[in-house]
Amino acid sequence: QSVLTQPPSASGTPGQRVTISCSGSSSNIGGNTINWYQQLPGTAPKLLIYINDQRPSGVPDRFSGSKSGTSASLAISGLQSGDEADYYCAAWDDSLNGYVFGTGTKVTVL
Amino acid sequence: EVQLVESGGVVVQPGGSLRLSCAASGFTFDDHTMHWVRQAPGKGLEWVSLVSWDGGSTYYADSVKGRFTISRDNSKNSLYLQMNSLRTEDTALYYCASAMSSYMDVWGKGTTVTVSS
Repeated sequence: QSVLTQPPSASGTPGQRVTISCSGSSSNIGGNTINWYQQLPGTAPKLLIYINDQRPSGVPDRFSGSKSGTSASLAISGLQSGDEADYYCAAWDDSLNGYVFGTGTKVTVL
Repeated sequence: EVQLVESGGVVVQPGGSLRLSCAASGFTFDDHTMHWVRQAPGKGLEWVSLVSWDGGSTYYADSVKGRFTISRDNSKNSLYLQMNSLRTEDTALYYCASAMSSYMDVWGKGTTVTVSS
């Protein structure tokens, strides 16, 4: 059972804004940076956001990340059909002395 | 081209052993921490283990501690995962990933391990 909790699903129509939450604790999100990964159907995960709010080269600015206390959020604006994927938050956990992934959120474009 | 290619995944019986490999190319391998991450069929991502750039530090998920051993050979640009005492719940797609800092920036396509009698 993951220590980072995400909603199992999120959806929106094309062009809408969707937000995904990630709830943790002081030993993970509260004390370390958060990263987000996108997994398109049938493919390997891809780094989407790193160090809370940084985008790797090639990731559109429609994707943005934020962190406050022991929670974090990923926002997708201008939703597109190609954004249909599973999204995972992740962080180092000082208590577990290991890396933890969130439970994952499936984004559907209606 | 930056690339990670996993291999070694097979069908193995419960209690058996297996060694996964990950070949890196296109980047300075020994600058990077390396991870193994797995994904059971239809499930989410689960971090398995990491090894520091020089192999001097290793960390494991509780679910594999004492059964799996991560290692690397920087002279061969390769990462390994020795898996012993395999259980049915170890059945998954195993990914290797590289990390310059606290995030995994390059992922392989994965290799499938099936533990079944």
